[in-house]
Formats: sequence, C-alpha cells, structure tokens
Amino acid sequence: DQQVKQNSPSLSVQEGRISILNCDYTNSMFDYFLWYKKYPAEGPTFLISISSIKDKNEDGRFTVFLNKSAKHLSLHIVPSQPGDSAVYFCAATNNGNTGKLIFGQGTTLQVKP
Amino acid sequence: NAGVMQNPRHLVRRRGQEARLRCSPMKGHSHVYWYRQLPEEGLKFMVYLQKENIIDESGMPKERFSAEFPKEGPSILRIQQVVRGDSAAYFCASSRDRGPGETQYFGPGTRLLVL
Repeated sequence: DQQVKQNSPSLSVQEGRISILNCDYTNSMFDYFLWYKKYPAEGPTFLISISSIKDKNEDGRFTVFLNKSAKHLSLHIVPSQPGDSAVYFCAATNNGNTGKLIFGQGTTLQVKP
Repeated sequence: NAGVMQNPRHLVRRRGQEARLRCSPMKGHSHVYWYRQLPEEGLKFMVYLQKENIIDESGMPKERFSAEFPKEGPSILRIQQVVRGDSAAYFCASSRDRGPGETQYFGPGTRLLVL
C-alpha cells in the first residue's frame, strides 16, 4: 500500500536547466508535504515543505507546487547545479495524527556539468 | 550546535545477536522518530517517542524490536536475535514539537549488517 509514489526512479538534467521532480499521493488526509535530499551514506536533509492550504511555496532555487485535486506535488529546482545531484524523497504527513512521515521511493537526480 | 546524532554509524552483527542503535536528538527537541530504509527503497516509519513515552509504534515489527526514550540519555532502538532481513539503514529524526509545520531533522543513520 504505497500511499506516496515517486514514479521516476531517476532524472538527468543539464547544469543551469530546470529539474522537475514529481510525487503523487493517495491519502486525502495528508495535510503537510515535505521534500528531503539525501546523499549516499548520509541522512536525509530537509529542503522545503508545503501545507495543504497552499498551492506553492518558494525558497531560493527550490519551489514546491501542490495540486490537491490531482493529489500531486512537484519540486522545481532552477537553475540546477551539479551539487544538487542526490536522491530526492517526497514525504507526506497527517499532522493531526502523530506526525509520522510517509515517504516515496525516491528519485535520483543527476545534474551534468 | 549539533544536529541529530546517531551511533554507531556502522554495526555488524551475526544472526541471533542483539543490535542496539542510539539516537541523540537535536538540542531542544523532545520528539524522536525512527525510520528504516531497506536497499533500493524509501524510508519506512517505525516508531515515534516522546520522553519516556511511546506515542506511535504502528511501524514496528511485532517481535524482536523495541524502542525507548528515557528521561535522561539517548533514544535506543533495540533489535533482538537479529536476522539477515534486518540489514538496513536505520535513521532517527527529531522535532521540537508535534503539529502542523513541525519539521523532522534526520541523523546520519546507522547501517546494520547482519552476517
């Protein structure tokens, strides 16, 4: 029962271009969404989040878009940099519950110089 | 200004032994979450604890796994009689509070290998 899905295992983009990572969810009770970045042999690092009452949140080069009717969110990175190469995890939570995070399987982003 | 700390970073155990994983949350954080990442998979929630209390253990296997977060000291995830299928990366996260907008910050993980 995969409630959060990242259907693209990998993505490759050229430095300076836009990276778009996608995430779909099935549980309409989710009210908070997060993106984490993970390098090999390290823990996930928080990137950006969005509440279900918003449809967009921006922080520097990172923007997250939420489409509640489609149960879809995306992370835009622009411009992409080689240091952005990592695994990106989408996560969702129902904070009215216990706040536990439900993660997608991850998308490996490679930014080529 | 230390982040979430986990030790050991790597742990090798033989089948049937016990594994103890420790997690010290960020300063000022009293909420601890444990997650497990199997090879080629995303992170899966295991257990959520506050000081001296288990709040949600819905992701914990019914046998051999236990967790605690005592009043003093780190949170401990204990795995008794380990099997090869327990080999995974175990991540701890902490947050200051629980509720909308509370971000969980992760430690570097403990990589458990069961021989």
